[in-house]
Amino acid sequence: QKEVEQNSGPLSVPEGAIASLNCTYSDRGSQSFFWYRQYSGKSPELIMFIYSNGDKEDGRFTAQLNKASQYVSLLIRDSQPSDSATYLCAAPGYSSASKIIFGSGTRLSIRP
Amino acid sequence: EPEVTQTPSHQVTQMGQEVILRCVPISNHLYFYWYRQILGQKVEFLVSFYNNEISEKSEIFDDQFSVERPDGSNFTLKIRSTKLEDSAMYFCASRAAWGNQPQHFGDGTRLSIL
Repeated sequence: QKEVEQNSGPLSVPEGAIASLNCTYSDRGSQSFFWYRQYSGKSPELIMFIYSNGDKEDGRFTAQLNKASQYVSLLIRDSQPSDSATYLCAAPGYSSASKIIFGSGTRLSIRP
Repeated sequence: EPEVTQTPSHQVTQMGQEVILRCVPISNHLYFYWYRQILGQKVEFLVSFYNNEISEKSEIFDDQFSVERPDGSNFTLKIRSTKLEDSAMYFCASRAAWGNQPQHFGDGTRLSIL
């Protein structure tokens, strides 16, 4: 059974700083990972996905995947108050149709 | 940008009643999913659907639940006899058929069982 673990937070970061969110996973066979952002009462919104070891950058977001250590991270540069949300790390199953397994999420708070 | 749409946004139902939650997935997507999220808890998988049949279902998805794709655009989740513990946000998601594409989520239906 795949497991995806996250620190629930809250993680408090000053505006303009870098927020670093971490996630570990149990299944060494996992090939790809997603980061979703979820505002309170809203649906998960995809912000990044990563398949390869190393870094993937998109605007202020950088996802990092280290398969040897089985961790995934998300860096948010120049944090804004609008980044305050819960960030969900997720891993898909093995087949095309299979579910996404979500972590419990890390609550991020950007303080002005 | 195409999106997954869900109706209604909020459904209030008496315990024991049947409820149908509706979803219109993104038009060229072939894989469809239902998830739920009880307040304050993690997003949980319920069921996946492909080629007009269930591909995978969780332990939550018991005989009280069913899914259907009645036409070329809608994807529904039916709960036959609702229980108080069915109160949650229900999210529909869809994904494209090619490659390792992520799932895209609708805005959800908040189901409140009284």
